[in-house]
Amino acid sequence: NAGVTQTPKFQVLKTGQSMTLQCAQDMNHEYMSWYRQDPGMGLRLIHYSVGAGITDQGEVPNGYNVSRSTTEDFPLRLLSAAPSQTSVYFCASKNGGAGVNTEAFFGQGTRLTVV
Amino acid sequence: AQSVTQPDIHITVSEGASLELRCNYSYGATPYLFWYVQSPGQGLQLLLKYFSGDTLVQGIKGFEAEFKRSQSSFNLRKPSVHWSDAAEYFCAVGGKNTGFQKLVFGTGTRLLVSP
Repeated sequence: NAGVTQTPKFQVLKTGQSMTLQCAQDMNHEYMSWYRQDPGMGLRLIHYSVGAGITDQGEVPNGYNVSRSTTEDFPLRLLSAAPSQTSVYFCASKNGGAGVNTEAFFGQGTRLTVV
Repeated sequence: AQSVTQPDIHITVSEGASLELRCNYSYGATPYLFWYVQSPGQGLQLLLKYFSGDTLVQGIKGFEAEFKRSQSSFNLRKPSVHWSDAAEYFCAVGGKNTGFQKLVFGTGTRLLVSP
């Protein structure tokens, strides 16, 4: 199994540019989420989805949009990149079900630099 | 509010020596606790998890962790560290209060292994 696949692995953007970070999982997981990782701050939740067509904001959603049209894919969009969005982005998926807690599987990350 | 504290930013351990990484959490309900490891340039890999039952849990790569409810702690231990254990370690908490699908991460502890 491929697990959680993120593309691209590296990206440099100019301030004001837009781009989409791709995330796909092949485990038929209901839950998917995006985190950003910054030095000394751990991972912080940006947006998450509990199933196709359902998304919600996490801890740091400003400047990011998401959609979930299929179970497999959960892209993260930066509409107008800012230097503050320079970070490493991780996509994660986990199996769901009310009252069930299972482990999250993470992608390899996308290292984004905004200049 | 839910939070995770990893008080040690860096720890250096000699190869073959024992290791303990500290994790304290604040969570208003029964916590589900996780330890993840991140090798340089890689994604996060689950080391172990605690949902319920025996408070001493075994994980991969010879790691174990003990859940102590009275101390709100979930410290990670390994009896003999190998050079390949050098990585960053993240403690995370999830559960009913965060909707099960979301994780709250600590800021991480970077482990350095000296010869």
